[in-house]
Amino acid sequence: AQTVTQSQPEMSVQEAETVTLSCTYDTSESNYYLFWYKQPPSRQMILVIRQEAYKQQNATENRFSVNFRKAAKSFSLKISDSQLGDTAMYFCAFMSYSGGGADGLTFGKGTHLIIQP
Amino acid sequence: DTGVSQDPRHKITKRGQNVTFRCDPISEHNRLYWYRQTLGQGPEFLTYFQNEAQLEKSRLLSDRFSAERPKGSFSTLEIQRTEQGDSAMYLCASSSIRNTEAFFGQGTRLTVV
Repeated sequence: AQTVTQSQPEMSVQEAETVTLSCTYDTSESNYYLFWYKQPPSRQMILVIRQEAYKQQNATENRFSVNFRKAAKSFSLKISDSQLGDTAMYFCAFMSYSGGGADGLTFGKGTHLIIQP
Repeated sequence: DTGVSQDPRHKITKRGQNVTFRCDPISEHNRLYWYRQTLGQGPEFLTYFQNEAQLEKSRLLSDRFSAERPKGSFSTLEIQRTEQGDSAMYLCASSSIRNTEAFFGQGTRLTVV
């Protein structure tokens, strides 16, 4: 079974700063997907960024980028020029490729990110 | 289509009662997932449907939990004989075969008193 670990329960940074959220995972599979989801207070979870394990290039979506280190089983999220609207719970998640989606997502416990004005 | 819809948003029930939650996925999505999220934890996968077929249900928490997706459209999650430990947020998500992105509903918050 896969596990996802987020070691930072809470982080707080000033607006416009850059922040990095950590995530490590454990799996015996070689093909899989990794995700960062954002859950704002009282709102639904939305996808921030995803990475296919077979791709060596790190995914980037505007101010969000990842540092994917497959051998280290590490998948960190960097948020540049942080904004007040980035305040939310951030979850790292794993999905098996071989399961074809049938195993769902395995989530970490989340990091509560607070952006201070 | 405005996204994944869940009903009700909140449910308070007495211990021992049965409850049923509904999820309406994005219309073109054939994959549907149920998750449970307790306070301070990430969502925990419960079950998966591809169209009307329930392809994974071994992760349902006990035999008191069951789910259906008749005709491959909306889905229901039923909890029988609720216990206080069932208090949690129940999330539904849907996706298409071609895209790994899961779209989540706002969830149903269950409180068992």
